[in-house]
Amino acid sequence: GDSVTQMEGPVTLSEEAFLTINCTYTATGYPSLFWYVQYPGEGLQLLLKATKADDKGSNKGFEATYRKETTSFHLEKGSVQVSDSAVYFCALTHYGGSQGNLIFGKGTKLSVKP
Amino acid sequence: DTAVSQTPKYLVTQMGNDKSIKCEQNLGHDTMYWYKQDSKKFLKIMFSYNNKELIINETVPNRFSPKSPDKAHLNLHINSLELGDSAVYFCASSQVQSYEQYFGPGTRLTVT
Repeated sequence: GDSVTQMEGPVTLSEEAFLTINCTYTATGYPSLFWYVQYPGEGLQLLLKATKADDKGSNKGFEATYRKETTSFHLEKGSVQVSDSAVYFCALTHYGGSQGNLIFGKGTKLSVKP
Repeated sequence: DTAVSQTPKYLVTQMGNDKSIKCEQNLGHDTMYWYKQDSKKFLKIMFSYNNKELIINETVPNRFSPKSPDKAHLNLHINSLELGDSAVYFCASSQVQSYEQYFGPGTRLTVT
């Protein structure tokens, strides 16, 4: 079945450092890919998405490019802030019989120190 | 306005009890979901539901049942609660044809 693998956390960075969180997937066909963010004590928020190969999703300084050849969707940000501290989830979905259910990676906790 | 809301935010109860968690969305979406997040933050789909079809994850015990009084609501009923049911439960919604799901704030269930 489909699956998503994320780098193990936690990740601890200093403010203004460069961030990469790796995400790879296994899926049939052409899934859509997402990054969700969960701030402490809150629900998940969609951070960015890409629906086809070579698409780049971007939001709030975060970017991820859908790489079909490497089945990857790595999350990057050039300069992190303390307010970026959260758990980040990579996810995929197919439209169709699965009703668009999201399949999540296990999440990567990011802590940014001032 | 809150797009997807859940009540209660916290629920503490004893083993063997029956409880419900309510979810409402005001986005006009056609499909709603329930997810379970375990203590290690791992998220897993439990149900997806629109006005035509309920899809149940085969790993979900039949003690869990979703009930939808109308398109804007999908409640989760849990019978005979067990310690292993302790988790955070998230409701979400989306348009049928949309890949974007909007999540509620979660309900932290603790079974003692």
